[in-house]
Amino acid sequence: DAKTTQPTSMDCAEGRAANLPCNHSTISGNEYVYWYRQIHSQGPQYIIHGLKNNETNEMASLIITEDRKSSTLILPHATLRDTAVYYCIARRDMRFGAGTRLTVKP
Amino acid sequence: GAGVSQSPSNKVTEKGKDVELRCDPISGHTALYWYRQSLGQGLEFLIYFQGNSAPDKSGLPSDRFSAERTGGSVSTLTIQRTQQEDSAVYLCASSSPLAGGRETQYFGPGTRLLVL
Repeated sequence: DAKTTQPTSMDCAEGRAANLPCNHSTISGNEYVYWYRQIHSQGPQYIIHGLKNNETNEMASLIITEDRKSSTLILPHATLRDTAVYYCIARRDMRFGAGTRLTVKP
Repeated sequence: GAGVSQSPSNKVTEKGKDVELRCDPISGHTALYWYRQSLGQGLEFLIYFQGNSAPDKSGLPSDRFSAERTGGSVSTLTIQRTQQEDSAVYLCASSSPLAGGRETQYFGPGTRLLVL
């Protein structure tokens, strides 16, 4: 099971793109990369997942490097409501790490 | 129901008492997780049930914590002889793992436990 490494915190200006990195250098070939976020006092919310190809949905884009050792979650136009803790998971048993606390500033 | 439900939503207890927290997963979901989250902290994995397999208890912080899942559905997390450091939000999630490692967890609203 891959261990993930994320920065503890990041800031982003409102309206700009937020790029959240995740390192999962020990990922195995069939482990998906998942991203969740947790807004203050709420339960975690699924954002997006991917295996090899880049993915995009209404919430975000996921860029996975060719060697799959890292990925980046992109929020294209961050809003104040995107302030949350963002978790990257690359384990079969879906255990959460400490995540990145993203603060979107006006 | 449509989502994961947990009860009670809030629980206040005295130090040394036992508490039981309940989780009703989404119908048909074979996997169930318990996490806890202390104030201002990240999610801490506690235990994982998957189908009829033996649960992964590696996250339980002490032998005062136990959990069971009856009939592959409802789960109960029990904390015996509660301590003040047990105060946290206890979150339950369920999922239906798919072939190839795809799995999305759906979280309940949590139980806020306060040990006085």
